[in-house]
Amino acid sequence: GAVVSQHPSRVICKSGTSVKIECRSLDFQATTMFWYRQFPKQSLMLMATSNEGSKATYEQGVEKDKFLINHASLTLSTLTVTSAHPEDSSFYICSASDLRRGPLSTDTQYFGPGTRLTVL
Amino acid sequence: LAKTTQPISMDSYEGQEVNITCSHNNIATNDYITWYQQFPSQGPRFIIQGYKTKVTNEVASLFIPADRKSSTLSLPRVSLSDTAVYYCLVGVYSGGGADGLTFGKGTHLIIQP
Repeated sequence: GAVVSQHPSRVICKSGTSVKIECRSLDFQATTMFWYRQFPKQSLMLMATSNEGSKATYEQGVEKDKFLINHASLTLSTLTVTSAHPEDSSFYICSASDLRRGPLSTDTQYFGPGTRLTVL
Repeated sequence: LAKTTQPISMDSYEGQEVNITCSHNNIATNDYITWYQQFPSQGPRFIIQGYKTKVTNEVASLFIPADRKSSTLSLPRVSLSDTAVYYCLVGVYSGGGADGLTFGKGTHLIIQP
């Protein structure tokens, strides 16, 4: 159980184009999804927290107009990198949790396999 | 925000028991401790989670002392496939914020034959 998928697994695009990454929880309903970015040989960096049906909360330094997040259902969240540039090339990872058990939840994050974005 | 400190790297051999310790001196009362394993170009995989004392599952054990200022992930009889980066994450999502969702640098565990 607790499987999270991401699509695509790898994408190469030209500078200036937009890229959409999908994150799906396959066998559970995710009230909350998280988006991370990871550069080579570095740790994961949280970009934003996405709650179903509401606007995403972005971490400091992350441009919300550049990284558009939509969490329209309990099983799907999307991250759109708008007007991508080479410096946006990275490994993007989503995670999902079901936090409906209460305001303070121990629920674990389950991670997707990641999406490798390369901007030429 | 509970900050974690782990050794940058560790080496061991196949068949050995490996213990990775994480320090989290300012852990909050509601914080849980979760360990993840990550292989290159893959998302992290949940290993184990605990609050206090000892937790054991089919892949690992987690030891947490009474003061909860540290935790130790124990991997019994490691194999080459256990070579990965291991992260400890301390905190809880409180609904209003993402405190505790900051990954530290992790521990790069290298298992040799």
